[in-house]
Amino acid sequence: DTGVSQNPRHKITKRGQNVTFRCDPISEHNRLYWYRQTLGQGPEFLTYFQNEAQLEKSRLLSDRFSAERPKGSFSTLEIQRTEQGDSAMYLCASSHTLAETQYFGPGTRLLVL
Amino acid sequence: AQTVTQSQPEMSVQEAETVTLSCTYDTSESDYYLFWYKQPPSRQMILVIRQEAYKQQNATENRFSVNFQKAAKSFSLKISDSQLGDAAMYFCAYRATQGGSEKLVFGKGTKLTVNP
Repeated sequence: DTGVSQNPRHKITKRGQNVTFRCDPISEHNRLYWYRQTLGQGPEFLTYFQNEAQLEKSRLLSDRFSAERPKGSFSTLEIQRTEQGDSAMYLCASSHTLAETQYFGPGTRLLVL
Repeated sequence: AQTVTQSQPEMSVQEAETVTLSCTYDTSESDYYLFWYKQPPSRQMILVIRQEAYKQQNATENRFSVNFQKAAKSFSLKISDSQLGDAAMYFCAYRATQGGSEKLVFGKGTKLTVNP
């Protein structure tokens, strides 16, 4: 069990650029979640997948955000036309279908200049 | 909508002493899960302890235990024999049971400092 991995760990970009983050869940986990955490706050839910199906999306996920999990394994989160308000830690978590615990990755810290 | 409130932004404890972190939540559901997660500085979030609402017995994991008061919608975390490695942000989280949303709803966190 290698845990949830996320790449890159840090990303600095200029306002208006597109960025993409990757999450590799624990291998046997069917569910994959994305959260966003800003400084001094708890994580906020963005979206989640069961296998390749995106089953829930938060209102926080504007049209500039898109997430995919094409083969039910790794997932990508893309932010188009980044804004300074997108600066945050983006966390990925995974869980097994029949279990209740979500295991988190180390996160990708995004800074938009 | 479910909400989770952690009223203590910061707490401190002396090494080897006991500290209790508070958490209250609001839900109209009768069955749900509650969690405490720990997030050390610049490190990933890890699960500390989990409680199923239908279980009356309070969960315990080594030095960590909870006081779950369902009627009061309170879920506090007690850390006994505090160690320097316990220093971290602690987040309380709520999750509906299967059939409802699977998202975790987090509080704003409590920063725990452990003094040697």
